Amino acid sequence: DTAVSQTPKYLVTQMGNDKSIKCEQNLGHDTMYWYKQDSKKFLKIMFSYNNKELIINETVPNRFSPKSPDKAHLNLHINSLELGDSAVYFCASSQGQREGYTFGSGTRLTVV
Amino acid sequence: AQSVAQPEDQVNVAEGNPLTVKCTYSVSGNPYLFWYVQYPNRGLQFLLKYITGDNLVKGSYGFEAEFNKSQTSFHLKKPSALVSDSALYFCAVRERYGNNRLAFGKGNQVVVIP
Repeated sequence: DTAVSQTPKYLVTQMGNDKSIKCEQNLGHDTMYWYKQDSKKFLKIMFSYNNKELIINETVPNRFSPKSPDKAHLNLHINSLELGDSAVYFCASSQGQREGYTFGSGTRLTVV
Repeated sequence: AQSVAQPEDQVNVAEGNPLTVKCTYSVSGNPYLFWYVQYPNRGLQFLLKYITGDNLVKGSYGFEAEFNKSQTSFHLKKPSALVSDSALYFCAVRERYGNNRLAFGKGNQVVVIP
């Protein structure tokens, strides 16, 4: 069983389109995250939800909108995609301060 | 706010030699520290963590790390590197009291030369 699963794994789309990435975790964790990894491999936090409540909202264009229907799911919707949105997006989950994150395998988004 | 510095971009080491990947951190109070590894086209995998207690922490795949509070460092080490250890390594730090944010370093590419 995959602990943190993201879909799709690859996403190629044209500029201006709207797309969604889905994430689900079966670990029973309370907190979920979205990270963006750019071409230089830098990891930047975008959002974090704790029990469906938004707790971290970094400086991200408002074209990006997270949604957490329940604590096991955190989806990312992106409107009006731009070339600069091309990156790998990672979902992660955690439980408590003492534990690290469990990451999904990533979604490689390519905007053409 | 917490932060991590991984000063080297790439670490090259011959197979069988010791491997060290450096990490220093900045955080208010005592830290929780983590190391992750990322293989090509994969997500990040947890290697080890320091929470409290013994400063030398042992983790997966023969890796270990030493917490040094006076130097605010948490260097990752392996006594004998394997070609399969070639990957991207990330150090991360979290405050003990606060939100669950993990701050990651920029990552170090490790290349183990056969």
